[in-house]
Amino acid sequence: DAEITQSPRHKITETGRQVTLACHQTWNHNNMFWYRQDLGHGLRLIHYSYGVQDTNKGEVSDGYSVSRSNTEDLPLTLESAASSQTSVYFCASSESQDTDTQYFGPGTRLTVL
Amino acid sequence: GNSVTQMEGPVTLSEEAFLTINCTYTATGYPSLFWYVQYPGEGLQLLLKATKADDKGSNKGFEATYRKETTSFHLEKGSVQVSDSAVYFCALSEAVSTGNTGKLIFGQGTTLQVKP
Repeated sequence: DAEITQSPRHKITETGRQVTLACHQTWNHNNMFWYRQDLGHGLRLIHYSYGVQDTNKGEVSDGYSVSRSNTEDLPLTLESAASSQTSVYFCASSESQDTDTQYFGPGTRLTVL
Repeated sequence: GNSVTQMEGPVTLSEEAFLTINCTYTATGYPSLFWYVQYPGEGLQLLLKATKADDKGSNKGFEATYRKETTSFHLEKGSVQVSDSAVYFCALSEAVSTGNTGKLIFGQGTTLQVKP
């Protein structure tokens, strides 16, 4: 069955370190998204991609970057982790801009000490 | 800008009680509306959706009607079960004059706890 996976599921790191969170989908979806989930804020969009070599900033993109070198993967990098980036991160994908249902991964819980 | 507002939780109900979770939205154009559910320790999954005014989405006993006149998409279930305990998110698809952007705007989520 097609799926979307994230790794690691849990990560503890220190302030200032670079961290990369992986997202892999096997649906061959064009669109991929990264969100962070914080209490009282719901899900907020960090970055998104409409296809290979395409990346776009979301509403909370400062301190994060993404790259899209193939259809299946959209890794999220925290260039220099900060305590404010402690959160649960979700990756999602959708087939195209016309089919807006998104499919979510299981999430990565990141703690920055 | 586009936004979604949900009733604050947590909502605590007894098993077999009637559930309503309110959701209102602000949007330009004609967005699709969604309810996603997040069970403990898991990612979000689509519960139901409606793509145009007066459409009713339904799934697993839950339903919601797209009301353009009141800009609402309230979630209802006639008889909740303990297994319905989860966080529920209302969302809308962001549209521009040229079509969909493929992006979703989420409400802050409402926690439902159902007690036996």
